[in-house]
Amino acid sequence: KAGVTQTPRYLIKTRGQQVTLSCSPISGHRSVSWYQQTPGQGLQFLFEYFSETQRNKGNFPGRFSGRQFSNSRSEMNVSTLELGDSALYLCASSFREGSTPYEQYFGPGTRLTVT
Amino acid sequence: DQQVKQNSPSLSVQEGRISILNCDYTNSMFDYFLWYKKYPAEGPTFLISISSIKDKNEDGRFTVFLNKSAKHLSLHIVPSQPGDSAVYFCAASRYNTDKLIFGTGTRLQVFP
Repeated sequence: KAGVTQTPRYLIKTRGQQVTLSCSPISGHRSVSWYQQTPGQGLQFLFEYFSETQRNKGNFPGRFSGRQFSNSRSEMNVSTLELGDSALYLCASSFREGSTPYEQYFGPGTRLTVT
Repeated sequence: DQQVKQNSPSLSVQEGRISILNCDYTNSMFDYFLWYKKYPAEGPTFLISISSIKDKNEDGRFTVFLNKSAKHLSLHIVPSQPGDSAVYFCAASRYNTDKLIFGTGTRLQVFP
């Protein structure tokens, strides 16, 4: 079974631009979560989508948005990029039923650099 | 407000010895805890988990201990191997929200 894939792997953008990152979950997984990883901050939760609906949201500004398609693939978008948005963006998928505990399986991440 | 804390940013252990990684949390509503391992240029990999109804869970060389009264969990790796060198993240969640809250990570180095 293929793992979680993220594209692109590396991205360089200029301050003020917008960016879209893509995530394809493991086949059969309907939940996709997004995280931002920066040095010293660990993994900060952005949002989670389940069956095309946002189920959870972290404490990030509205410039960060996402969506999920009917095939469970997900995209996240960051508008009006700031230098502080430079980070590794990780996507994780999981198989969820209701609110039972679950393990998330992560992709390799997209390294975004804002100049 | 860091609800999950890993106060040791790094740990160095000799091969064959025990590695103990610690994690503290502040939210008493957390009832599910996980450990992830992360190599450079890769996403975190799930390692082991524990529910709040247990105080110990074992999987091969890895054992997680949970002390609910102290709001503390630890990961023991015995024996440590050079391939265990990675960054380890602990994470916590509540059953009814499922949002994972991660710590800042501990870099483990196992030397020969």
